[in-house]
Amino acid sequence: DVKVTQSSRYLVKRTGEKVFLECVQDMDHENMFWYRQDPGLGLRLIYFSYDVKMKEKGDIPEGYSVSREKKERFSLILESASTNQTSMYLCASSHGAVTEAFFGQGTRLTVV
Amino acid sequence: KNEVEQSPQNLTAQEGEFITINCSYSVGISALHWLQQHPGGGIVSLFMLSSGKKKHGRLIATINIQEKHSSLHITASHPRDSAVYICAVPYTGNQFYFGTGTSLTVIP
Repeated sequence: DVKVTQSSRYLVKRTGEKVFLECVQDMDHENMFWYRQDPGLGLRLIYFSYDVKMKEKGDIPEGYSVSREKKERFSLILESASTNQTSMYLCASSHGAVTEAFFGQGTRLTVV
Repeated sequence: KNEVEQSPQNLTAQEGEFITINCSYSVGISALHWLQQHPGGGIVSLFMLSSGKKKHGRLIATINIQEKHSSLHITASHPRDSAVYICAVPYTGNQFYFGTGTSLTVIP
């Protein structure tokens, strides 16, 4: 059973904290993605990576950074969390766009 | 400007009803994905299709490439079908445009 696993389902962090969201996939996929999902806005791409140590900005990269040191792991970093980063964060991986994308269960982050 | 438009945004149905969710897109594509998101967040892929029709249980997805339109149908709907359904199309080789989703509630 293929799997994309996010490290936390729910997180509560304080404004200004550095926050790490971890994502691991076991399908040997080249592509990995971080999205945030907000009511009425749908899924918006923050960053994606198509290979180890490679990263590309998505539509809303401001306030975020990523790290991909190993093929199976893609981390999203909030350098200094702010309340407007309260959201649902979803990680996904794929072998390519024409094939399926597989999603993690999501992390609901609340910044207080 | 949204490259992927879904309708309706919200849908409430009685158990047993036939349901249709629509997706229109403005970009050229090689395939279109239908995704399902249950309360709690996790997203699963229902279908990937590039032409014609696919069926899985009570779910049917169709696509008309010329008209740039796809539909997701649910026959004999059930409360466990309550979820958000999202249409997605790929672009630039490995990214996706997503619709904003259709929130379906099926009442017993």
